[in-house]
Amino acid sequence: ETGVTQTPRHLVMGMTNKKSLKCEQHLGHNAMYWYKQSAKKPLELMFVYNFKEQTENNSVPSRFSPECPNSSHLFLHLHTLQPEDSALYLCASSQAKGAITHGYTFGSGTRLTVV
Amino acid sequence: KNQVEQSPQSLIILEGKNCTLQCNYTVSPFSNLRWYKQDTGRGPVSLTIMTFSENTKSNGRYTATLDADTKQSSLHITASQLSDSASYICVVSRQSNTGKLIFGQGTTLQVKP
Repeated sequence: ETGVTQTPRHLVMGMTNKKSLKCEQHLGHNAMYWYKQSAKKPLELMFVYNFKEQTENNSVPSRFSPECPNSSHLFLHLHTLQPEDSALYLCASSQAKGAITHGYTFGSGTRLTVV
Repeated sequence: KNQVEQSPQSLIILEGKNCTLQCNYTVSPFSNLRWYKQDTGRGPVSLTIMTFSENTKSNGRYTATLDADTKQSSLHITASQLSDSASYICVVSRQSNTGKLIFGQGTTLQVKP
């Protein structure tokens, strides 16, 4: 385990369902990130939270709604998704200052399939 | 445009053989470059980090090189093992307040017995 835990590991949902992805870190980091990883494509940054405040929304559709109640927890609420949203969703954490030097710690991801 | 390009896209080698993965980048201003290993169904894990002044860095059987002039990096794997089968992702950091990371699309390595 890396210290960043994501649940569930796998999720299959219909286009009309509402579900949530959860991420938890115990590394004392104060920045958390959501990334989308599709086959054969680079990781796409979705959202950035620093000290619980959203500092970046990378033009993500509103059917993805993040929530960061504290520096250790991050959620991604999903509703009315499309089949092309099927991907591996990765959570990462870092120090807000020093991310460049110390890098990110990634979770194992949630494999999402939209049917 | 800040980009990171990796080659080859995929690679198959026999156990025990060596291989080299390539990464070319156009990110500026450059801060550092990392190689990550991502096992199937797992998140990426950092192998090495290289700054502007470093040319070579090793981590066990993994050796990364960096040529900041030509903006190229390579990851050399020596005496490959079955457990080396994974995706290898090159990530370049820009100097910025937000710690912007630029990801390559990865090279998928398969080591066969």
